[in-house]
Amino acid sequence: SQQGEEDPQALSIQEGENATMNCSYKTSINNLQWYRQNSGRGLVHLILIRSNEREKHSGRLRVTLDTSKKSSSLLITASRAADTASYFCATDATSGTYKYIFGTGTRLKVLA
Amino acid sequence: DTAVSQTPKYLVTQMGNDKSIKCEQNLGHDTMYWYKQDSKKFLKIMFSYNNKELIINETVPNRFSPKSPDKAHLNLHINSLELGDSAVYFCASSQLGMGTKNTGELFFGEGSRLTVL
Repeated sequence: SQQGEEDPQALSIQEGENATMNCSYKTSINNLQWYRQNSGRGLVHLILIRSNEREKHSGRLRVTLDTSKKSSSLLITASRAADTASYFCATDATSGTYKYIFGTGTRLKVLA
Repeated sequence: DTAVSQTPKYLVTQMGNDKSIKCEQNLGHDTMYWYKQDSKKFLKIMFSYNNKELIINETVPNRFSPKSPDKAHLNLHINSLELGDSAVYFCASSQLGMGTKNTGELFFGEGSRLTVL
């Protein structure tokens, strides 16, 4: 299966702490994206990092990409209770199939 | 104003029935997708259309038939529903160009929760 894996599967932290989630994938990619899903809602795009980029920032989010290890991490700094959600990485194959494969997700719970 | 809208949001039906889920996007995107999310939150791609042309057809039972009347709409029809079809089905769209590198983010609908009894 091409599906990526994320760890941890679940993460519980206190408000104000940083949260780090990791994503590993199996094939070469053009880009990797991170999405957030609140309970009972659709997924919302957070950030995209291209295969030739190593790090990207957006507000309190920091994403790194290591193509040699086929892995990425998402860091949320100074977490808030509103950050409680599931986070997914998604990768597209370089074969041009326009097929985005999602990881298994990390369920983040931020305690107030 | 909703970018990607799906109907219905909830669908409860008996085994063996046929049902449809509709999806519309007003973003002007040329590519639309159907994803299935199971009870463990695994999100799996089912189909994708680019400008009304089927470009991705994963290993999905042929009881599932997508239909794209125009590039703003992608519907999903399911025949002879089975218990295992119970899931949340997400429609998504993206702006991609054939022959160019994928750069587009996916815009998701709110999902259609299908329960087969």
